[in-house]
Amino acid sequence: NAGVMQNPRHLVRRRGQEARLRCSPMKGHSHVYWYRQLPEEGLKFMVYLQKENIIDESGMPKERFSAEFPKEGPSILRIQQVVRGDSAAYFCASSPQRQGSVETQYFGPGTRLLVL
Amino acid sequence: GQQLNQSPQSMFIQEGEDVSMNCTSSSIFNTWLWYKQDPGEGPVLLIALYKAGELTSNGRLTAQFGITRKDSFLNISASIPSDVGIYFCAGRNDYKLSFGAGTTVTVRA
Repeated sequence: NAGVMQNPRHLVRRRGQEARLRCSPMKGHSHVYWYRQLPEEGLKFMVYLQKENIIDESGMPKERFSAEFPKEGPSILRIQQVVRGDSAAYFCASSPQRQGSVETQYFGPGTRLLVL
Repeated sequence: GQQLNQSPQSMFIQEGEDVSMNCTSSSIFNTWLWYKQDPGEGPVLLIALYKAGELTSNGRLTAQFGITRKDSFLNISASIPSDVGIYFCAGRNDYKLSFGAGTTVTVRA
């Protein structure tokens, strides 16, 4: 059973460009979470999505950042007009849907974004 | 987000030694988790703790969920070179994980 897949693994962008990060959850998982990790820090929650729904985006900056998890295809984290402060590792996690319980999140390998 | 204080920040240990690290929070969590992250990879779950006071082992790893629900510790016994990496604690309420800043472990052969 393949794990959480993320691509690209590394992404270099110049200031003002757009960054598009993709996440394919584990097979059978319908919940996706995005986290950001700055150097020397722990992961910080950004957004929680289910298929076609954003459940909680409280950790995501209000401007320039957006996320989606369409009915078909991977979840996408999109950063418009990137700035140097967006340089970080972005991790996606997924979990299965179970009634009445919170399931373990399994993390992908991350996308390392570098903004020049 | 909720603030978790993880210590020590880093440690150098001799192969065969035991390692201990802990995490404290000003907030109560329903679940405590410990992850290991290797360079260039995502966090991998080591141990999950679901009840206050719970003590759980996974091979050479042992972790405890503090009775106040505001702290947890992780022990690694008889360390080996592959224990090198960054260990993160995480507290969870509902679906949101709050992570500590990590403990970097380096093992001297």
